Amino acid sequence: DTGVSQDPRHKITKRGQNVTFRCDPISEHNRLYWYRQTLGQGPEFLTYFQNEAQLEKSRLLSDRFSAERPKGSFSTLEIQRTEQGDSAMYLCASSPMGNTIYFGEGSWLTVV
Amino acid sequence: AQSVTQLDSHVSVSEGTPVLLRCNYSSSYSPSLFWYVQHPNKGLQLLLKYTSAATLVKGINGFEAEFKKSETSFHLTKPSAHMSDAAEYFCVVSDQTNDYKLSFGAGTTVTVRA
Repeated sequence: DTGVSQDPRHKITKRGQNVTFRCDPISEHNRLYWYRQTLGQGPEFLTYFQNEAQLEKSRLLSDRFSAERPKGSFSTLEIQRTEQGDSAMYLCASSPMGNTIYFGEGSWLTVV
Repeated sequence: AQSVTQLDSHVSVSEGTPVLLRCNYSSSYSPSLFWYVQHPNKGLQLLLKYTSAATLVKGINGFEAEFKKSETSFHLTKPSAHMSDAAEYFCVVSDQTNDYKLSFGAGTTVTVRA
């Protein structure tokens, strides 16, 4: 399978704990994105990498959120001190420059 | 800023009958528009995209959409629904300057009756 891969697919955590999600983009895609989708809504843009550089962060991304793409390949999204409002599906996507964006299957987060 | 509005939150059709999902866009420029589909517990799959070429765009699985500038619409159609078309459909517009930023509609849930 050469699509965008996300891990874990499902995570249940207690409020206040830290969680980390990993995304492996399609090989040779230099752009990588994170989106968040809550129940009954369309996805919302969170952040964007071109190679290893994080070029934009949405205002939705509070200080508790941090994303990295250290070698321009895989990326991680960490949420510190989780809150119930963080419960959502976190979608990773990738693309070549200026082309179609391909999404992964998402990582579901439930904060209890 | 660009945005899209999906006019129906739910659409129910019988298998073998046409499907119409309505989307209006708001943009100050000629936009890039997309339709994505999301099956239960799955990621988003691109159905088709419009990028200022032909106004009638053909996508995968028999879907097509027509860009109508005068009506600011980008409706999605399929002549004959299949049970496997039951899913959530999103109309999407990309930012002109930053084409990596997609703005999604709220989605239309399609139910297909046997």
